[in-house]
Amino acid sequence: TQLLEQSPQFLSIQEGENLTVYCNSSSVFSSLQWYRQEPGEGPVLLVTVVTGGEVKKLKRLTFQFGDARKDSSLHITAAQPGDTGLYLCAWRGGNRLAFGKGNQVVVIP
Amino acid sequence: KAGVTQTPRYLIKTRGQQVTLSCSPISGHRSVSWYQQTPGQGLQFLFEYFSETQRNKGNFPGRFSGRQFSNSRSEMNVSTLELGDSALYLCASSLGGLAGVQETQYFGPGTRLLVL
Repeated sequence: TQLLEQSPQFLSIQEGENLTVYCNSSSVFSSLQWYRQEPGEGPVLLVTVVTGGEVKKLKRLTFQFGDARKDSSLHITAAQPGDTGLYLCAWRGGNRLAFGKGNQVVVIP
Repeated sequence: KAGVTQTPRYLIKTRGQQVTLSCSPISGHRSVSWYQQTPGQGLQFLFEYFSETQRNKGNFPGRFSGRQFSNSRSEMNVSTLELGDSALYLCASSLGGLAGVQETQYFGPGTRLLVL
């Protein structure tokens, strides 16, 4: 059983559209992290959300941590082809990361 | 500052063989973690090394082992390869401070292993 469930698994959209992907769990987390992985590369940390209800923005990416700290969402405004990648949410336990299976996002020019 | 490097980038082996993968962390980083990434299971934690000692271990069979050298470089070994070991193996490095302190992990590009 995956601790973190990400949905949708795959999403294909046209350039300029908005999209939202989700990371859900039945567990409560002290924090969650979001990574982006591009083909042929390792994951790169985008953001860490810590406080329930917290919203963090990274250019056109908006990350939200649920009030109950059980879920998180990532919203991309006016998606660009450069946003294409596998978005992974992860929980950090000590110095190990537990990942969801990811949201594969493809932005078509 | 150079990033995390992994060698080789691609590898093809046959069932029953063994394989050794190498990871060089970012200069000054003392913690190295290894992950396995497959389409079915996603990214899963294998183990973490700090100061040449295994500090954390994931839920993988004993065929998967690792070590870390005094210069913080790390190797992982998989013996008696099985078809299901085909995966992208990623290593990540961090400063490796006190346990429980949140540090950013920086990932290498991975080694893609194909077992035939």
